[in-house]
Amino acid sequence: EAGVTQFPSHSVIEKGQTVTLRCDPISGHDNLYWYRRVMGKEIKFLLHFVKESKQDESGMPNNRFLAERTGGTYSTLKVQPAELEDSGVYFCASSQDRRRGEQFFGPGTRLTVL
Amino acid sequence: GNSVTQMEGPVTLSEEAFLTINCTYTATGYPSLFWYVQYPGEGLQLLLKATKADDKGSNKGFEATYRKETTSFHLEKGSVQVSDSAVYFCALSAHNAGNMLTFGGGTRLMVKP
Repeated sequence: EAGVTQFPSHSVIEKGQTVTLRCDPISGHDNLYWYRRVMGKEIKFLLHFVKESKQDESGMPNNRFLAERTGGTYSTLKVQPAELEDSGVYFCASSQDRRRGEQFFGPGTRLTVL
Repeated sequence: GNSVTQMEGPVTLSEEAFLTINCTYTATGYPSLFWYVQYPGEGLQLLLKATKADDKGSNKGFEATYRKETTSFHLEKGSVQVSDSAVYFCALSAHNAGNMLTFGGGTRLMVKP
């Protein structure tokens, strides 16, 4: 069974540009989470989908970030326009049973904003 | 709010040395506790977990015990190997917070032959 996949693995863009990150969860996992780690600090929660619905988006830093999960399968996270402080590693995770709390992570997308 | 504090690294050990990485937490209610590991070039992998007080999680020779009285979940291994070199993250999941994970800052472990 395929794990969580993320695309691209690396992205280098200039300030003001737009970037879209993609996450494909494990098949059958209704719960999808986005996290990010900025400059070697803690990994911080961004948002949580249950199927196609946003369950919790309290971690989204501002309205330059837009996440979608159309059809309850893959998810995209768009940053528009990107700022220098958005640089970091963006992780996606999925889980089948929210109550267990066990989440399976993708390899992450390293975003560098110049 | 919920928070996790773990010892800063890097931690450098010789092969077969004893490892302890300290982790303490603050949470309301009764969280589940986790250790995740990130090997070079890879994503985070669940190493072990404990869901209630006094539970011991174990995997690959690593152990951690859920200590409610000291709000701790320290990671230990009796004899580390070079292949254990990685970044280790302590995390908690609180049922009153939608089961999102709250992470510590990560501890880099380097094991030398």
